[in-house]
Amino acid sequence: NAGVTQTPKFRVLKTGQSMTLLCAQDMNHEYMYWYRQDPGMGLRLIHYSVGEGTTAKGEVPDGYNVSRLKKQNFLLGLESAAPSQTSVYFCASRDPGLEILVYEQYFGPGTRLTVT
Amino acid sequence: TQLLEQSPQFLSIQEGENLTVYCNSSSVFSSLQWYRQEPGEGPVLLVTVVTGGEVKKLKRLTFQFGDARKDSSLHITAAQPGDTGLYLCAGSTGANSKLTFGKGITLSVRP
Repeated sequence: NAGVTQTPKFRVLKTGQSMTLLCAQDMNHEYMYWYRQDPGMGLRLIHYSVGEGTTAKGEVPDGYNVSRLKKQNFLLGLESAAPSQTSVYFCASRDPGLEILVYEQYFGPGTRLTVT
Repeated sequence: TQLLEQSPQFLSIQEGENLTVYCNSSSVFSSLQWYRQEPGEGPVLLVTVVTGGEVKKLKRLTFQFGDARKDSSLHITAAQPGDTGLYLCAGSTGANSKLTFGKGITLSVRP
């Protein structure tokens, strides 16, 4: 049981290049999330999904696209990378569960992206 | 927009000292969580509090949810170097599937 995994762990891009970050979870969770973490800014939600085939915008969606073709995978795409997208990206997942008030999220180890 | 303010932003203490840190909001949350994040890793859930006034203990860590469910505190007794990390609070209104995170408290415990 690996939990939430992210690939790659590190990546350096040049401005204008594109890339896809992969998140995979083996806990059969319905909900998945992509966050970015910047110094002094905390965790900010980029996009999220409440089930296979669904996606929704979070707090900072501009410049990113996502897809959830399979329940266990959530992909984050950068079509034309910009230096402002230099950040650490975290994927998370959770199960709605029976207790609607409890929103425990399980996080991956993160991807450190630098755009030059 | 619900905001969670965490204080202090940075804290450096000596091993064995006690400390209390805070997570405050003007909004009411149906539940509030505390996560700890170590360098190079993702956040890991420590506790979830749901009921106003609730107190939960996790070894040397004591978490309290305010009576009005707008704030929370984390008290650490006899801090150890292993407590070093970034402490994040996150709140949910229960009406959707998103969490609102605070900016975090960086704690350093010196041996």
